[in-house]
Amino acid sequence: AQSVAQPEDQVNVAEGNPLTVKCTYSVSGNPYLFWYVQYPNRGLQFLLKYITGDNLVKGSYGFEAEFNKSQTSFHLKKPSALVSDSALYFCAVSTGTASKLTFGTGTRLQVTL
Amino acid sequence: DAGVIQSPRHEVTEMGQEVTLRCKPISGHNSLFWYRQTMMRGLELLIYFNNNVPIDDSGMPEDRFSAKMPNASFSTLKIQPSEPRDSAVYFCASSINSNEKLFFGSGTQLSVL
Repeated sequence: AQSVAQPEDQVNVAEGNPLTVKCTYSVSGNPYLFWYVQYPNRGLQFLLKYITGDNLVKGSYGFEAEFNKSQTSFHLKKPSALVSDSALYFCAVSTGTASKLTFGTGTRLQVTL
Repeated sequence: DAGVIQSPRHEVTEMGQEVTLRCKPISGHNSLFWYRQTMMRGLELLIYFNNNVPIDDSGMPEDRFSAKMPNASFSTLKIQPSEPRDSAVYFCASSINSNEKLFFGSGTQLSVL
């Protein structure tokens, strides 16, 4: 069975500082990895995905994520956080076409002035 | 495109009543997903369809839940009879295919009293 772990319920960062939101996964086979963001009272929005190729993936709003196969991780990063980045972030994994997407429990990012 | 459209936005009902949630996916998307989000259990996949055919319904909690997709532009999730523990936000999402990014609707906030 595939699974995703987001070890931090909440991450607190000062505006302008770099941020990292952690994600590790477990699948049989090659992973398809995703990050989504959820703002209050809204559905999830796609940020970025890794399927194959370069281990560093760039996505929306200046976010990027690094795929590390040996550590089975896919951490989300941003060089300089904004207060408007405050939201709930979900990591997700699947194993390809017709495979269901399994989400992590989410990490709340709080960016303060 | 208006995105994934869900109705109603909010539903309050009494235990034992039938509840029907509706979803219109993005035109041209072949995969449709129903998720449930609660504080306790996070985001759970209930069922997903590919080309209007249910592919995986292993996440449907019990026989009280049923989902249909009679055509490419409409899906319903029905709960009969509803129970207080069904209270949650129910999201519908669609994608071009099941390993591409998902587009989420705004969700239906269900409260069963």
